[in-house]
Amino acid sequence: DTAVSQTPKYLVTQMGNDKSIKCEQNLGHDTMYWYKQDSKKFLKIMFSYNNKELIINETVPNRFSPKSPDKAHLNLHINSLELGDSAVYFCASSGEDNSPLHFGNGTRLTVT
Amino acid sequence: AQSVTQPDIHITVSEGASLELRCNYSYGATPYLFWYVQSPGQGLQLLLKYFSGDTLVQGIKGFEAEFKRSQSSFNLRKPSVHWSDAAEYFCAVGPYSSASKIIFGSGTRLSIRP
Repeated sequence: DTAVSQTPKYLVTQMGNDKSIKCEQNLGHDTMYWYKQDSKKFLKIMFSYNNKELIINETVPNRFSPKSPDKAHLNLHINSLELGDSAVYFCASSGEDNSPLHFGNGTRLTVT
Repeated sequence: AQSVTQPDIHITVSEGASLELRCNYSYGATPYLFWYVQSPGQGLQLLLKYFSGDTLVQGIKGFEAEFKRSQSSFNLRKPSVHWSDAAEYFCAVGPYSSASKIIFGSGTRLSIRP
């Protein structure tokens, strides 16, 4: 059983397109996250979200938007894709008991 | 400012040799410290964590880490590495209360020499 799963694993698209990455967790966690890992492996949080609060990293362009249909899902929508959006995007979740982050396997986005 | 520094970008060790990966942090409050491992094409997996108690923490896969407050360090160690340990290792620090405020180091890539 995969605890945090995200799809697709690879996504290749052209500049200007709109795309979505899906994430689901079956851990019963209340909070989910999106992280971006750049080509130098640097990992930076983009969003954290639970059913009460969305926290957005102020450096994230508003072309990126999280959508949560329910507590177990947090999808990432990206509009007007740019070359600089190419990266690996990780979904993660955590519980309320100060549990550490649990990560998905990542989505490698390539914008051409 | 809060930060995590992993001074070694890439380390190569021989299989069976001991390993130490360095991590230094700067944090204004009591830190919650983590080590994660990322195998190629995979997500990050938690190796171990520390908030309080015994400063020598045991993790999965035979790893351990030692918290040294005086040195602001949380180095990861393994007495004998295996070829399967080749991966990227990330140190992270944050508050106990909020996983959303965890910050990650830049990672250390570990290669294993046969």
